[in-house]
Amino acid sequence: AQSVTQPDIHITVSEGASLELRCNYSYGATPYLFWYVQSPGQGLQLLLKYFSGDTLVQGIKGFEAEFKRSQSSFNLRKPSVHWSDAAEYFCAVGVLTGGGNKLTFGTGTQLKVEL
Amino acid sequence: GAGVSQSPRYKVAKRGQDVALRCDPISGHVSLFWYQQALGQGPEFLTYFQNEAQLDKSGLPSDRFFAERPEGSVSTLKIQRTQQEDSAVYLCASSVDRVNQPQHFGDGTRLSIL
Repeated sequence: AQSVTQPDIHITVSEGASLELRCNYSYGATPYLFWYVQSPGQGLQLLLKYFSGDTLVQGIKGFEAEFKRSQSSFNLRKPSVHWSDAAEYFCAVGVLTGGGNKLTFGTGTQLKVEL
Repeated sequence: GAGVSQSPRYKVAKRGQDVALRCDPISGHVSLFWYQQALGQGPEFLTYFQNEAQLDKSGLPSDRFFAERPEGSVSTLKIQRTQQEDSAVYLCASSVDRVNQPQHFGDGTRLSIL
């Protein structure tokens, strides 16, 4: 069965510093990979997705992620963090079911930004 | 509105009561998903609809959980004889009917069982 591991439960960075959130997945086939962000009391907002092609994908809000098949990783990066980026971040792998993807999520990484 | 709408936003029920949670997907979205998010955890898949057909219900934790989407639009997740372990945020997501299209999430219903 598929699984997603986000090894960092909490991360604190200073505003303006760079950020990398780690994600490792386990899935037998070519994965569909996603990063979502969740603010308190809100639903999940898609940051970026990988289906195929270029392994470096660009997303919204200046985020990017790199798919590394050899490491089964899909780490999220941002060169300069803003205070408004403080939120919880979820990595997910999509598994085909019928005509759609059901998502398996990691446990999330809570990002705190120090001013 | 243009997004996925869920109601109610908050629901408090006593143990043993039945509850119903509603999801209005984005207009035209064929696929609809329900997820359960326990406190401090990532969302977990419950069930999936394509139009009115429930194609995958492998994530429903027990037969107390039932979901329907009778006209292929609005969906209702029903939980019978609620237990304390049912306390969670229930998220609904919808997408167009293509594998490489992302899911759009609602803000969820926070269910608290006393």
